[in-house]
Amino acid sequence: DVKVTQSSRYLVKRTGEKVFLECVQDMDHENMFWYRQDPGLGLRLIYFSYDVKMKEKGDIPEGYSVSREKKERFSLILESASTNQTSMYLCASSSNRAGQPQHFGDGTRLSIL
Amino acid sequence: KQEVTQIPAALSVPEGENLVLNCSFTDSAIYNLQWFRQDPGKGLTSLLLIQSSQREQTSGRLNASLDKSSGRSTLYIAASQPGDSATYLCAPSDDYKLSFGAGTTVTVRA
Repeated sequence: DVKVTQSSRYLVKRTGEKVFLECVQDMDHENMFWYRQDPGLGLRLIYFSYDVKMKEKGDIPEGYSVSREKKERFSLILESASTNQTSMYLCASSSNRAGQPQHFGDGTRLSIL
Repeated sequence: KQEVTQIPAALSVPEGENLVLNCSFTDSAIYNLQWFRQDPGKGLTSLLLIQSSQREQTSGRLNASLDKSSGRSTLYIAASQPGDSATYLCAPSDDYKLSFGAGTTVTVRA
């Protein structure tokens, strides 16, 4: 089974802090994704990476950056955390072979105080 | 921009009843469509993936149909159980990018 592991289930940070969310997958997938999920807004794509050191902006990249130095690891960075970034963050991965499913981690519930 | 609508938003049924969850999407140029389950406070579990060339896909008590030209997919869950209580999300894909509906929250009463 595909395993996507997010480093923290719950995280509490303060406004202005630099925050790192880590995600690791064990299936040698080329594609990795970061989403956020908010009540009433559903899941929205923040960033996407299709290879090491490659990234593309999703629908809501403002206030975020990402890093992919190794194939199995994809990090989401909040450069200066703000209260409106309090959310559930979900990481996913998929193979770049046509028609393959995305597999999700358990999520990180991030609270910015 | 792909818009995804899931109806109903919530559903409560007695155990044993069959469930029918509907999903519609505005752009029929999709690559495939995935159905997910989400338990409260948890991540998404992939249930079924239907390729754009397929009409339906089955896994155990789950069956999903796809009518790409009309922008519709339906998830059927046979003989529902209390353990089926969760939020179900559909997500059509344009190759790599998933677009999500708001989900249908299902409660199966024992």
